[in-house]
Amino acid sequence: GQNIDQPTEMTATEGAIVQINCTYQTSGFNGLFWYQQHAGEAPTFLSYNVLDGLEEKGRFSSFLSRSKGYSYLLLKELQMKDSASYLCAVKGAGSYQLTFGKGTKLSVIP
Amino acid sequence: DTEVTQTPKHLVMGMTNKKSLKCEQHMGHRAMYWYKQKAKKPPELMFVYSYEKLSINESVPSRFSPECPNSSLLNLHLHALQPEDSALYLCASSPPPGEVSNQPQHFGDGTRLSIL
Repeated sequence: GQNIDQPTEMTATEGAIVQINCTYQTSGFNGLFWYQQHAGEAPTFLSYNVLDGLEEKGRFSSFLSRSKGYSYLLLKELQMKDSASYLCAVKGAGSYQLTFGKGTKLSVIP
Repeated sequence: DTEVTQTPKHLVMGMTNKKSLKCEQHMGHRAMYWYKQKAKKPPELMFVYSYEKLSINESVPSRFSPECPNSSLLNLHLHALQPEDSALYLCASSPPPGEVSNQPQHFGDGTRLSIL
């Protein structure tokens, strides 16, 4: 089975940097995905990591340590539109199934 | 704009009604998914189709009946639903695991379903 843990809520200031952590315990691992979801909308793919290290994509970066079962999503130069829920999701080995964490609701304040 | 299209965007139905949710993708993906998402909760997997065959049914009640007419379309037929079935229903697609590794699932905008 999979167990994924991430903070429920975070607040950060416009223009700042925020790091959203995700820890996981899985019986198999074939990648970790980050999705952004605005209220009432579909999840939007942000990034994935399958090997250890940092993946950078514009203002968003994601890091993975497989030995520690740990990932984080880093958002730089925060904008008001970044206020959303951020979902960490783990794919099991050879599996169709994505197991989602409960999501972190990020509020960006002026 | 999403590459996975879901219709309708909103649906209100009574407990005795029969309705269908539709999903279409033209990315050539051969795996398609139905998820259910309640407010402030993560998406929960319901069904997975791979190469138009049902691969996974996560113990979903029979009042939900999926159908995959072809590689681009996925339907979810609804009958005799309960008020607790009110939720956002999301469709997603991806290449199957064996085809291309580590490709993300792409989600449609969802159908917001309310059961009266």
